[in-house]
Amino acid sequence: GNSVTQMEGPVTLSEEAFLTINCTYTATGYPSLFWYVQYPGEGLQLLLKATKADDKGSNKGFEATYRKETTSFHLEKGSVQVSDSAVYFCALSDYSGAGSYQLTFGKGTKLSVIP
Amino acid sequence: DAGVIQSPRHEVTEMGQEVTLRCKPISGHDYLFWYRQTMMRGLELLIYFNNNVPIDDSGMPEDRFSAKMPNASFSTLKIQPSEPRDSAVYFCASSAPGLAVTTDTQYFGPGTRLTVL
Repeated sequence: GNSVTQMEGPVTLSEEAFLTINCTYTATGYPSLFWYVQYPGEGLQLLLKATKADDKGSNKGFEATYRKETTSFHLEKGSVQVSDSAVYFCALSDYSGAGSYQLTFGKGTKLSVIP
Repeated sequence: DAGVIQSPRHEVTEMGQEVTLRCKPISGHDYLFWYRQTMMRGLELLIYFNNNVPIDDSGMPEDRFSAKMPNASFSTLKIQPSEPRDSAVYFCASSAPGLAVTTDTQYFGPGTRLTVL
C-alpha cells in the first residue's frame, strides 16, 4: 500500500534560518504530492502541491520538488519566520478509478521558530 | 465562502455515551472525508463519500463508528458507545475534483476535539 515517511520532530530553528523537512513516499502508479500545514487549533491547509515528476510546488516562500528517482518531496524555505511555527504534513494522492480517491498523510513534523 | 463547518468544536462525554459530530462541506463540493488525529497514530482517514455515497469505510475502526451523509450539505459521524480511546480530534474535509481528481485540494474544517472520560 501507499505510505509517507517524514522526518521526526520537533524541529526548533531561529528566525531567518534555513528549513528542510524531509519526506519520502511509497506508492503504486503516479501519485500527486502535497504539503499541508496545521497552525495551532486549526485544521489543515494546503501549502503547496506537485502533480508529476520534476514539478516544483511553491507558496509563501516554501518550495518542494517532486523527485521520482528518489521518491522524495522535501520541503524547504530559505528564511523562516516566527509565524511559520506549525505542524507540517507531507501527503500523497492516489486515485484508483471508479470514484476511489484519498490522501495518505505522513505523521507530521512540528516546527517551532524562535525570535 | 464560509469554508468547511464542524460542530461542536469541543465535546466532553463519559464512556458509554453516544457522540454525534457534524460537518457541513463547502457548497458544490462532491467529496467529503472524515479523519481522526491522535498523537500516537497521526492523521487517519476514517471514511469518505462521493455524491453522498460512502466510497471507502475501511478506516472506520469498529462497528461503534458510523457515518452518514443524508444530503450534499450535511454529514454526521456517530460513536455509540464511546470509549476513552476514542479521544482525538476529528476533522471533516471536502473537495471538488472535477476532471483532475488527483490534483485537487481537500479543504479541512477546524476539527472537533473529543474527550471521552
